[in-house]
Amino acid sequence: SAVISQKPSRDICQRGTSLTIQCQVDSQVTMMFWYRQQPGQSLTLIATANQGSEATYESGFVIDKFPISRPNLTFSTLTVSNMSPEDSSIYLCSVRTGTSYEQYFGPGTRLTVT
Amino acid sequence: SQQGEEDPQALSIQEGENATMNCSYKTSINNLQWYRQNSGRGLVHLILIRSNEREKHSGRLRVTLDTSKKSSSLLITASRAADTASYFCAPAGLTGGGNKLTFGTGTQLKVEL
Repeated sequence: SAVISQKPSRDICQRGTSLTIQCQVDSQVTMMFWYRQQPGQSLTLIATANQGSEATYESGFVIDKFPISRPNLTFSTLTVSNMSPEDSSIYLCSVRTGTSYEQYFGPGTRLTVT
Repeated sequence: SQQGEEDPQALSIQEGENATMNCSYKTSINNLQWYRQNSGRGLVHLILIRSNEREKHSGRLRVTLDTSKKSSSLLITASRAADTASYFCAPAGLTGGGNKLTFGTGTQLKVEL
C-alpha cells in the first residue's frame, strides 16, 4: 500500500470561490483518481489524473468545473471551481500501485460551501 | 449502471457473532473490492477479488464471488466492537481497465458489546 495525504483536511468556502485540494503520495504510483462523496451518498469517480496530460473525466464532470493536475508520479491537485452549496462533499484521492488493481484512498477533504 | 448495491443497509450484531454483507452488480466485472469506512474517516481497503476467483480470505474476512449471479458477499467472523463501520463493495467493470470503481451506499454495521 501507500501513505496518502490530502490538504486541506477540511475547509469552509463561500459560493463563487475556488478551492484546490492536494494529494501527496509517499511513493511513485501508477495511477491516481479523484472521487466525491456527497452527504449520505456513495463515492462517485470524478476523473483519472494522468501524469503530464489532461485528466480523463467521467460522465457528468467537466474540466472547467474540476480542473486536475498531475505533474509527477506522487502528486495531484483537484480544483473545485466557482463553488456552490451543491459542491459540499468529501473529496478523496485514491491511488493504484504497481500492477495490482487495488486502490488506496487518502483521508479525504471535507468541503462545505456556504 | 455497474454500481454495487449492498444488502442489508444496516446490520446490528453482538460481539463475537459473524456478520455477512451482500453485494450485487449488473454487468461483467474485472474485479470487485471491499472497503470499510469508519464514521467521518477515509476508506480502508479490505480485499480485492478478481473475476476468475471464487473465494478469498484475509484474517477474519472471507469474500466470495459468484459471477453467474453477479453477486459477492463479505463475511466477518468473530466480530469486534472495532468492526463497527460502513462497508462498501466496489465492482470494477471491464471498461476503464478495471480501475473504475463504482460504489453503492454501503452496509452500516454496528457491533455491540
